[in-house]
Amino acid sequence: NAGVMQNPRHLVRRRGQEARLRCSPMKGHSHVYWYRQLPEEGLKFMVYLQKENIIDESGMPKERFSAEFPKEGPSILRIQQVVRGDSAAYFCASSPSKQGGETQYFGPGTRLLVL
Amino acid sequence: AQSVTQPDIHITVSEGASLELRCNYSYGATPYLFWYVQSPGQGLQLLLKYFSGDTLVQGIKGFEAEFKRSQSSFNLRKPSVHWSDAAEYFCAVGAGGTSYGKLTFGQGTILTVHP
Repeated sequence: NAGVMQNPRHLVRRRGQEARLRCSPMKGHSHVYWYRQLPEEGLKFMVYLQKENIIDESGMPKERFSAEFPKEGPSILRIQQVVRGDSAAYFCASSPSKQGGETQYFGPGTRLLVL
Repeated sequence: AQSVTQPDIHITVSEGASLELRCNYSYGATPYLFWYVQSPGQGLQLLLKYFSGDTLVQGIKGFEAEFKRSQSSFNLRKPSVHWSDAAEYFCAVGAGGTSYGKLTFGQGTILTVHP
């Protein structure tokens, strides 16, 4: 059973460009979470999605960031008009259900560098 | 809102020595508590978790943690550290109810192991 897949692993963008980060959850998992890790900091929750639904986006910046988890295909985190402050590692996690205490399994992350 | 504090940013121990990493949390109800480990450039791997029952939890790689409600703590321990344990360790708290799905992480503790 493959783990959580994220691609690309590394992404370089110039200021003003768009970044698209993809996450394929573990087989059988229908819950996806995105976290951001800034340099020298812990992970910060961004958004929680189920298939075709955003459940909690309380950690998403109000502008330029969006996320989706379509019926078919991976979850996408999209950052429009990137700025240097967006440089970070973005981690996706998945879980099979929404039971309390359910383990979230993390992918290897996408490291975004904005020049 | 929940929060997690890891008081030690960096800990250095000798191989074979015992280890304790501290974690304090703030949450109004019974929390779901997790310890994850992150090697450089990698994603997060779950070491252990607590959400009910026995307050002493056993995890992978010889780690254990004890939930102490009176102290709002969930410290991670290992009796004898191996060089391969060098990594960054994150404590996290998960909530139920409307905040379900959102893990709140501490700042992390970097563990260095001397031969």
